[in-house]
Amino acid sequence: EPEVTQTPSHQVTQMGQEVILRCVPISNHLYFYWYRQILGQKVEFLVSFYNNEISEKSEIFDDQFSVERPDGSNFTLKIRSTKLEDSAMYFCASSYLGRDYRALSYEQYFGPGTRLTVT
Amino acid sequence: ELKVEQNPLFLSMQEGKNYTIYCNYSTTSDRLYWYRQDPGKSLESLFVLLSNGAVKQEGRLMASLDTKARLSTLHITAAVHDLSATYFCAVDINTPLVFGKGTRLSVIA
Repeated sequence: EPEVTQTPSHQVTQMGQEVILRCVPISNHLYFYWYRQILGQKVEFLVSFYNNEISEKSEIFDDQFSVERPDGSNFTLKIRSTKLEDSAMYFCASSYLGRDYRALSYEQYFGPGTRLTVT
Repeated sequence: ELKVEQNPLFLSMQEGKNYTIYCNYSTTSDRLYWYRQDPGKSLESLFVLLSNGAVKQEGRLMASLDTKARLSTLHITAAVHDLSATYFCAVDINTPLVFGKGTRLSVIA
């Protein structure tokens, strides 16, 4: 069964460093998402991406964050200058379709996550 | 702004007992999702509820959706230890998913 994959599973970085988290969405999916979950808290939306551009972003997704689809398979999240409060689990998700389609197509499939630890 | 409230946030229940987790949301939606998360793991999709009155069952879990009351329930029947996990509901209204805070369920012998 197709699945979303993410690398690395765990990333440790020093404050101020840049990190890139990688995701390979399910191959026929068109919408891609990043969420984060600070330890013990709820899952929060960061950004959604469709047709090679950001379709929505949350307040969390400030200028330190960027996303890219550098090729036909990868979807990346870059944090330019990490802060201690960026430590969290980052989940990538993908869905086949987004708005205005049959609701079943909205279902988002989540990857296993990357645990980012900023020291 | 869509708000999603779950209760209880923590639930300790004995094996064999029944209990219900509640998910209230603030804006009309007819799409609601339940996920399970084990410690340190990803989100596993349990149920997708798409319309008012939808009821789905899988094993000892049953989920329902009342869009008029803006309420979904996840009912646990005859709990077993393997059900110990955190359960999240999530709602979308043509926006990315908004999650509740999760219910941490612990099933004890």
